[in-house]
Amino acid sequence: EAQVTQNPRYLITVTGKKLTVTCSQNMNHEYMSWYRQDPGLGLRQIYYSMNVEVTDKGDVPEGYKVSRKEKRNFPLILESPSPNQTSLYFCASSPPGAGGSYNEQFFGPGTRLTVL
Amino acid sequence: AQSVTQLGSHVSVSEGALVLLRCNYSSSVPPYLFWYVQYPNQGLQLLLKYTTGATLVKGINGFEAEFKKSETSFHLTKPSAHMSDAAEYFCAVRKGAGSYQLTFGKGTKLSVIP
Repeated sequence: EAQVTQNPRYLITVTGKKLTVTCSQNMNHEYMSWYRQDPGLGLRQIYYSMNVEVTDKGDVPEGYKVSRKEKRNFPLILESPSPNQTSLYFCASSPPGAGGSYNEQFFGPGTRLTVL
Repeated sequence: AQSVTQLGSHVSVSEGALVLLRCNYSSSVPPYLFWYVQYPNQGLQLLLKYTTGATLVKGINGFEAEFKKSETSFHLTKPSAHMSDAAEYFCAVRKGAGSYQLTFGKGTKLSVIP
């Protein structure tokens, strides 16, 4: 089944304790992206990657890191989490193609993170 | 810069009534427009998209949207609401010509009253 998977789905942690949220897709997509979703703010892009070893900042990158060593994986790293990073996080990927198909983002199920 | 405005953070309709969710956009390039739906405790999934061609686009679950360039709008409609339509809906526009990135609206939560 074509899908984007994220782990963990739920995580409660404490301020300053490094954590990684994994994202993996099995559709051979080149483009991957991380978003955070907060009430009343919609989805805001954190980082994105056009291909292996190619990453760039989105709209809200502060406090986050990413890496893209393999095409299928795009982990999100919080090296020193703070309470304002409590949020719902989504990973997404897009296929290449014309006619806007490269904008059809496939989303993972989300990771709900609470930082105490 | 591209932007999306969704009017109404929360919309309630009765079961069987018309659903109308409003989206206005701003784009300096020909817009590619999208509606995504998020059911409770799930990720987003694509409902429909407009890129070029026919301005009335049909999506899944009986939804459709019409691209109106003169009004810079891309409103989502469904003739008859069903209880299963209760979800949050997001309008999005691509960030630029050839861009893979999307700018999302803040979302509209649809409640369906039995």
